[in-house]
Amino acid sequence: EAQVTQNPRYLITVTGKKLTVTCSQNMNHEYMSWYRQDPGLGLRQIYYSMNVEVTDKGDVPEGYKVSRKEKRNFPLILESPSPNQTSLYFCASSPSRGDEQYFGPGTRLTVT
Amino acid sequence: QKEVEQDPGPLSVPEGAIVSLNCTYSNSAFQYFMWYRQYSRKGPELLMYTYSSGNKEDGRFTAQVDKSSKYISLFIRDSQPSDSATYLCAMSAAGGSYIPTFGRGTSLIVHP
Repeated sequence: EAQVTQNPRYLITVTGKKLTVTCSQNMNHEYMSWYRQDPGLGLRQIYYSMNVEVTDKGDVPEGYKVSRKEKRNFPLILESPSPNQTSLYFCASSPSRGDEQYFGPGTRLTVT
Repeated sequence: QKEVEQDPGPLSVPEGAIVSLNCTYSNSAFQYFMWYRQYSRKGPELLMYTYSSGNKEDGRFTAQVDKSSKYISLFIRDSQPSDSATYLCAMSAAGGSYIPTFGRGTSLIVHP
């Protein structure tokens, strides 16, 4: 089944404790992105990647890191999480720019 | 002014009604237009994808793009309770960085 998977689905952590949210897609897509979704603000792109070893900032990259060492994986790293990063996070993949995106199921992160 | 404006609703309609969902935008460079449906606690899923202007129909769903007015619409015919969800419009430009811009989403409730 073609899909985007994320882990963990739910995470509660404390300020400053480094964490990684994994994302994997099995559709051989070139493009992958990370978004956060907040009430009243909608979906905002954090980082995107156009291919292996090619990443770039989205609208709200501060406090986040990403890497793309393999085509299928695109982890999101929070080196020192803060409460304002409490949000619902989505990973997405797309076959090419401008095309439809396939979203993962989401990761709900709470930073206390 | 946000680049993409979308009324958050909620929009409540009886089963069988024709639903009209809309977004306006300000960036004339947008060429790709998409509608996503998001059920509660799920990731967005692509409903309709249109390049440039015109209409596109898929079953009960019709997407319209009017680039001269910077206005896009999604029509749902014979609405069903299972259509109850949040509908997100999204759009992106053909060149430059790959950062799709999403509307905040419209919450739709179809009651039996």
